[in-house]
Amino acid sequence: EAAVTQSPRSKVAVTGGKVTLSCHQTNNHDYMYWYRQDTGHGLRLIHYSYVADSTEKGDIPDGYKASRPSQENFSLILELASLSQTAVYFCASSDALGRSSYEQYFGPGTRLTVL
Amino acid sequence: GDKVKQSPSALSLQEGTNSALRCNFSIAATTVQWFLQNPRGSLINLFYLVPGTKENGRLKSAFDSKESYSTLHIRDAQLEDSGTYFCAAEGSNMGYKLTFGTGTSLLVDP
Repeated sequence: EAAVTQSPRSKVAVTGGKVTLSCHQTNNHDYMYWYRQDTGHGLRLIHYSYVADSTEKGDIPDGYKASRPSQENFSLILELASLSQTAVYFCASSDALGRSSYEQYFGPGTRLTVL
Repeated sequence: GDKVKQSPSALSLQEGTNSALRCNFSIAATTVQWFLQNPRGSLINLFYLVPGTKENGRLKSAFDSKESYSTLHIRDAQLEDSGTYFCAAEGSNMGYKLTFGTGTSLLVDP
């Protein structure tokens, strides 16, 4: 059974503060992803990684950094949190074979409120 | 424009009836995933598809890469089917990234 956990599950941050969201997977997957979901919308990709110590920009990377210190862990960092970054953040992991990935498995999400 | 368009955006069903959800792609999709986001916010994997069809209980999904669409059929809808259904496509030359649709909000009434 796929297992992706996220911490914290919810957080309130102040504008201009630093926020770190953490993700841990026990699937032995190479790929990890960070998405954000705004109310009433689908998920949008922020950053992803296919190997430890390397990250790639997704579709909406501005204002976010990512860190992949090990295969199991992937963090999303907001150096200067802004009101517009209030959202639910999801982490996911997947395996990959050739040029197509296997299905992505998602964590429970982190609800971030920036005040 | 939207690369993955879902329809309808919202749907209300009576328990025991059938329905179909659809995704149209303006990208060259190679694989499609369908998820259910339950009222608690969790994303539940329903299907992972290469071109073709899959069936799981009361759910059946099809992906036609040539015509650039995917469908999700729900048979004998139950109350627990309520939630938001998302399709997501992986496109050729886009790496291992999913592009999500905006979802279909489904409410099943007794």
